[in-house]
Amino acid sequence: DVKVTQSSRYLVKRTGEKVFLECVQDMDHENMFWYRQDPGLGLRLIYFSYDVKMKEKGDIPEGYSVSREKKERFSLILESASTNQTSMYLCASSPSTRGKNIQYFGAGTRLSVL
Amino acid sequence: AQKVTQAQTEISVVEKEDVTLDCVYETRDTTYYLFWYKQPPSGELVFLIRRNSFDEQNEISGRYSWNFQKSTSSFNFTITASQVVDSAVYFCALSVTGGTYKYIFGTGTRLKVLA
Repeated sequence: DVKVTQSSRYLVKRTGEKVFLECVQDMDHENMFWYRQDPGLGLRLIYFSYDVKMKEKGDIPEGYSVSREKKERFSLILESASTNQTSMYLCASSPSTRGKNIQYFGAGTRLSVL
Repeated sequence: AQKVTQAQTEISVVEKEDVTLDCVYETRDTTYYLFWYKQPPSGELVFLIRRNSFDEQNEISGRYSWNFQKSTSSFNFTITASQVVDSAVYFCALSVTGGTYKYIFGTGTRLKVLA
């Protein structure tokens, strides 16, 4: 079974802090994704990566950055956390085949910024 | 532009009732894929089904069935004889073969199955 592991289920941070959300997958997938999930808005793509050190902006990249130094690990960074970044963050991975790829998700990190 | 609409925000049913979750999509691409995911209270999205645009056959898997109709751009999901364990948020998503690898998600339908 594909396993996508997010390092924390719950995080509480203060405004202005630098926050790291970590995601690891064990299936040698090329693609990795970061989404945020908010009530009434569904899942929105923040960033994705299609290879080590490669990344592309998603629909809502402002206020976020990412890092992919190893194939299995994809980190989401909030440079200076703000209260409007309080949300559920979901990581996913998929093989490289375009379009038809199934994305496999982690359990999510619920982040509260106070 | 692509879009996925799940008009039902929340549905409540009593156990053993049948329930249909609606999904309507928009795309100009002729080749695309549609997905359904389940998100139980634990938070992890669980893949349920993938359907490509050239395969309009309905699919049944146990108590779950899916009705794909290109004529109405719909990909509806029916749970027969619902159970409390079916309580979750269900997401429909669209992916096109050209361009990026991204999914376009609907806003989700929360299903509550009452005992």
